[in-house]
Amino acid sequence: QSVLTQPPSVSGAPGQRVTISCTGSSSNVGAGYDVHWYQQLPGTVPKLFIYSNNNRPSGVPDRFSGSKSGTSASLVITGLQAEDEADYYCQSYDSSLSNYVFGTGTKVTVL
Amino acid sequence: QVHLVESGGGVVQPGTSVRLSCVTSGFTFNKYGMHWVRQAPGKGLEWVAVVWSRGDNQYYADSVKGRFTISRDNSKNTLYLQMNSLRAEDTAVYYCVKEFLAMAGTYFDYWGQGALVTVSS
Repeated sequence: QSVLTQPPSVSGAPGQRVTISCTGSSSNVGAGYDVHWYQQLPGTVPKLFIYSNNNRPSGVPDRFSGSKSGTSASLVITGLQAEDEADYYCQSYDSSLSNYVFGTGTKVTVL
Repeated sequence: QVHLVESGGGVVQPGTSVRLSCVTSGFTFNKYGMHWVRQAPGKGLEWVAVVWSRGDNQYYADSVKGRFTISRDNSKNTLYLQMNSLRAEDTAVYYCVKEFLAMAGTYFDYWGQGALVTVSS
């Protein structure tokens, strides 16, 4: 069972803003470890999408942004587009488990 | 350009063993920790194991501890995962993943295409 909790799904119409939450605890996100996000398009390999809470790798559109506060982090898509339909996973490190941890994953659907 | 290419997957019986390999190129292999991450069919991502850059330390998820062994050969730029006592719940796509050490954590910047391991009788 993952220690980082995400909503199973979020949806929105094209152009809308959607937010994916990633809720952790005092041994991971709340301990100061960075949160990173991965996008997995259907049938493809996961891809790094946001690193160190709020940084976009080259090629990731600026409509994607990340933030972190306390024991939670968020990925925001501003101006949702059809090609954003994918699964999104947050990831951090947990000092109690001495393990790297992924979130439960969120499926984004464009209506 | 970074490339990670896994091999060694297939259909195996419960209780048996299999070894995955991951041949890498395009970066200085011996400077980075390497990981295995798996994804069961229709499920989320699960971190499996890490080996440090010099191969002197390894850490495992509780679900595989004592059964799986991660190792590397820096002379061959290759990562391995020896999987013993396989169970049906080990059925998954296994990704070879390169890490990047950030100021306050590690992220996974390059992923292989994955190797499917199916444990079934």
